Amino acid sequence: DIQVTQSPSSLSASVGDRVTITCRASQNIKNYLNWYQQKPGKAPRLLVYAAFGLESGVPSRFSGSGSGTDFTLTISSLEPEDAATYFCQQCYSPFHSITFGQGTRLEI
Amino acid sequence: EVQLVESGGGLVQPGGSLRLSCGVSEFTFSKYWMSWVRQTPGKGLEWVANIKQDGSEKYYVESVEGRFTISRDNAKNSLYLQMTSLRAEDTAVYYCARNRSSWYLTGYYYNLDVWGQGTTVTVSS
Repeated sequence: DIQVTQSPSSLSASVGDRVTITCRASQNIKNYLNWYQQKPGKAPRLLVYAAFGLESGVPSRFSGSGSGTDFTLTISSLEPEDAATYFCQQCYSPFHSITFGQGTRLEI
Repeated sequence: EVQLVESGGGLVQPGGSLRLSCGVSEFTFSKYWMSWVRQTPGKGLEWVANIKQDGSEKYYVESVEGRFTISRDNAKNSLYLQMTSLRAEDTAVYYCARNRSSWYLTGYYYNLDVWGQGTTVTVSS
């Protein structure tokens, strides 16, 4: 199975900061990677698909990049509402096996 | 508004069974693969099972293979997860999610674009 590893597991930043979260896959997954945001007590929300595609309604301060095994989610200028846990998810084999990263908790 | 609503969670003893349901609205259910994903504080998000649009293909994470069964009723716009031989480690919030195919640049990519609010399953004596 393809494993995905996120780093850091948590971080603290201030409003206006630029933040980067990384995700590394255990094998080449091209750009079959998605990013989700989850706030306490809520379901995950899709932010970025196909490594780069911004989901409709997601603020443009969020962006994704990377391909192969290394990926990043960047928030260009933090807002207070960005406090959440962020997960990456590989979708290289979208039906047979889906795996998530362990999450990155972002504190503002 | 596109919506998924889970139900059926609760407290069950080890070895017991439970059936989760997920009702959907405001989209053509029969056109989508559907997924169950669970979340525990210790293990984060874990994909559990997928089912094809017509129910002809089903896939499971290894830890539930042979114990859980995913199914759907397209006429009732409903997704199900039958869970048997439950273990303490199955304790989690269970989400149903829509598996969407998105065209991006040169190909199709799948993502979980709509999620339910989750239903809690607790396996304990």
